[in-house]
Amino acid sequence: DAGVTQSPTHLIKTRGQQVTLRCSPKSGHDTVSWYQQALGQGPQFIFQYYEEEERQRGNFPDRFSGHQYPNYSSELNVNALLLGDSALYLCASSSTVLQDLDLYNSPLHFGNGTRLTVT
Amino acid sequence: GDSVTQMEGPVTLSEEAFLTINCTYTATGYPSLFWYVQYPGEGLQLLLKATKADDKGSNKGFEATYRKETTSFHLEKGSVQVSDSAVYFCALTRLYNNNDMRFGAGTRLTVKP
Repeated sequence: DAGVTQSPTHLIKTRGQQVTLRCSPKSGHDTVSWYQQALGQGPQFIFQYYEEEERQRGNFPDRFSGHQYPNYSSELNVNALLLGDSALYLCASSSTVLQDLDLYNSPLHFGNGTRLTVT
Repeated sequence: GDSVTQMEGPVTLSEEAFLTINCTYTATGYPSLFWYVQYPGEGLQLLLKATKADDKGSNKGFEATYRKETTSFHLEKGSVQVSDSAVYFCALTRLYNNNDMRFGAGTRLTVKP
């Protein structure tokens, strides 16, 4: 059973460039979340996608955008890269279920991340 | 807003020593609490969780109890092994809703033979 897979594993970009990171969720999962983990810090929530729409967003600028495809895979796009965008980007997948008229997620399963270095 | 405060590291222990990593939280309502572990070069793995007060999560010899009165979720293990060396993250979300998981800064544990 394949877990969450992310590509590429490492990436080096120059300031001002754009980058696209990719994620395939664990089999059976329909929800994808993206996190940014700066060196020595805990992950910070960027956004979550469900049913091909952004369901919730953390405190990140519009330079960060995403997409989810019908097969539940997802992309994270970052435009106009800054040095401060250098970090490990983690994708996490989960299942969303309807319960008591609200949507709940199963525990997150994380991929190994993409290490982005901006020079 | 909701937040987690973790014991600062790094923590260095000898094999078979007792481990405690402190975690306290600030949240409205009744959050779910988690411990994740990150081994070198890997993503985060769920270690254990608790979803209501007085619940005890346990896995691989690790355990943590959800203490609402002290807003704490301390991680413990009675006898650590070299293979437990990793970074440990305490985290919370709203009950069953993992849309925006809040993580602590992480505690690096090194276990020496």
